[in-house]
Amino acid sequence: EAGVTQFPSHSVIEKGQTVTLRCDPISGHDNLYWYRRVMGKEIKFLLHFVKESKQDESGMPNNRFLAERTGGTYSTLKVQPAELEDSGVYFCASSQDGQYSNTGELFFGEGSRLTVL
Amino acid sequence: DAKTTQPTSMDCAEGRAANLPCNHSTISGNEYVYWYRQIHSQGPQYIIHGLKNNETNEMASLIITEDRKSSTLILPHATLRDTAVYYCIVRVANYGQNFVFGPGTRLSVLP
Repeated sequence: EAGVTQFPSHSVIEKGQTVTLRCDPISGHDNLYWYRRVMGKEIKFLLHFVKESKQDESGMPNNRFLAERTGGTYSTLKVQPAELEDSGVYFCASSQDGQYSNTGELFFGEGSRLTVL
Repeated sequence: DAKTTQPTSMDCAEGRAANLPCNHSTISGNEYVYWYRQIHSQGPQYIIHGLKNNETNEMASLIITEDRKSSTLILPHATLRDTAVYYCIVRVANYGQNFVFGPGTRLSVLP
């Protein structure tokens, strides 16, 4: 079974441009998370989808970031316009957690490295 | 902010047990202790989790103190491939609760 896949693995863009990152969760996982690690910082939560609904987007840094999960399958994270401080690695994760589940295991993708010049 | 405290770094000799401590003195009754690791620049990898009983799986053992204020992750026979940053995270185990990653412990397994 395929794990969480992310595309692209690395993107280099100039300041002001737009980038869209894609995440395909493990099939059947309703929960999808985005995290990011900027240079020298800790891994930070961005947002959490349950199916197509945003459960928690408290970690989104500003309105230049837009996440979608149409149909509750794959998700995209768009950065528009990109700024220098957006450089980092963006991780996607999925889980089977449900309201009565206590597994809590997140399966992470390999990440998409974003470099803004 | 992370609710756990871990040493910044540790070394371990290859083949020996690696014991990684974690303090979580403010843990609440419904919070689990999770351990993840990140090898180089890969995505974080789940290792183990527990509530109050000690747990063991094919990767590691988790020892939680009786008062649940601290825990230890044990890699019984560390290999060079276990060199990574290890994260101890406390979290309520239901959806809607995201994982808060702290700085973790950088474990270096030495030949």
